[in-house]
Amino acid sequence: DIQMTQSPPSLSASVGDRVTITCQASQDISNNLSWYQQKPGKAPKLLIFGASNLETGVPSRFSGSGSGTHFIFTISSLQPEDIATYFCQQYYSLPFTFGPGTKADIK
Amino acid sequence: EVQLVESGGGLIQPGGSLRLSCAASGFSVSSSQMNWVRQAPGKGLEWISVFYSGGDTHYADSVKGRFTISRDTSKNTLFLQMNSLSADDTAVYYCARGYCRSNSCYSGLFDSWGQGTLVTVSS
Repeated sequence: DIQMTQSPPSLSASVGDRVTITCQASQDISNNLSWYQQKPGKAPKLLIFGASNLETGVPSRFSGSGSGTHFIFTISSLQPEDIATYFCQQYYSLPFTFGPGTKADIK
Repeated sequence: EVQLVESGGGLIQPGGSLRLSCAASGFSVSSSQMNWVRQAPGKGLEWISVFYSGGDTHYADSVKGRFTISRDTSKNTLFLQMNSLSADDTAVYYCARGYCRSNSCYSGLFDSWGQGTLVTVSS
């Protein structure tokens, strides 16, 4: 199975700050990497697929990059509504696996 | 509008069985890749099963041999039959649709999720 790791496990930033989350895959997954946002008590929401493609309707302050084993997720200007847990996920091969999540909070 | 509504969760004793349902609307489950993903309380996301449009199914090792995914196209509904349940199966269970756009589908990418149904395994 492909193991996904994320850092940091949690972050606290001010409104307007640039926030970065990294995700590492245990083997090469090309660009088969997605990012999901999950707010408390809600289902996850797809934000980015193909490592860098923004899902329709997702604000442009969210972005992703990377390929192979190392990926980066960025919020260019943190907003109060971005308080959530963010998960990376590989869909390169079965079983599809998720990172442990990064909980983002407002300072 | 695409909608997924799970049901069937509840409190069940260890060793028991439960069947979850996921009623879909706004699209056809028969032409979609459908998945179950679970989340233990306060924990991360775990993919557990997929039903491909062609009929193939796959399972995570953690549920293989105990869980069975199926669909009823006449009811546009996905199911998850769960047997031999243990405390480790306690989680919110989500159904999720596979991502397809402009005739391109991505196995393992999920664009629509239900609200989830809580399964609690406890004596």
